[in-house]
Amino acid sequence: GQQVMQIPQYQHVQEGEDFTTYCNSSTTLSNIQWYKQRPGGHPVFLIQLVKSGEVKKQKRLTFQFGEAKKNSSLHITATQTTDVGTYFCAAPKLTDSWGKLQFGAGTQVVVTP
Amino acid sequence: KAGVTQTPRYLIKTRGQQVTLSCSPISGHRSVSWYQQTPGQGLQFLFEYFSETQRNKGNFPGRFSGRQFSNSRSEMNVSTLELGDSALYLCASGDPVVTKNIQYFGAGTRLSVL
Repeated sequence: GQQVMQIPQYQHVQEGEDFTTYCNSSTTLSNIQWYKQRPGGHPVFLIQLVKSGEVKKQKRLTFQFGEAKKNSSLHITATQTTDVGTYFCAAPKLTDSWGKLQFGAGTQVVVTP
Repeated sequence: KAGVTQTPRYLIKTRGQQVTLSCSPISGHRSVSWYQQTPGQGLQFLFEYFSETQRNKGNFPGRFSGRQFSNSRSEMNVSTLELGDSALYLCASGDPVVTKNIQYFGAGTRLSVL
């Protein structure tokens, strides 16, 4: 069945550096979403990508959807301490109800000042 | 507009007991999904309700059940609690028309089973 794999599991970043987290699926996705969960918090929706090759930016965050719609990436430039948290990618299974999301394991980001 | 409200925020139960968690979705959202989050298993889908009907169910035992009311509020019940049920239970609301399949999460209920 569809699996959503996310790497790396942990990311230690020096403040000001850039980093990228990757999400890969075994099957073609209708769309992919990214969520951020701060320590002690709950997942908060960041963005949704729908089109093949789509690129969206939110300030220092750049999201990409692969041409084959099987992978996605989140790139953060000039990391700040406010970027601390776990970033999840999530996708609905094509064969399932839209309300069921399959989440990746998440990338836990720690920022060193 | 108020966000997703989950009650209670914290619960402590003992093995064998049962528990009911509540979720009030964002006004206008007809779908409520429930997830279990643990450090070892991550975010696992429990079930989804839309217009009072369960549309999808994850791979959890029958001890986990839920329902949705006509006002879209949802409850989740876990019977015969086990130590492994200790987790953060998250509710997410959405709507096929209003939000497509973007989900908005509540703050969660943290359940500890002793």
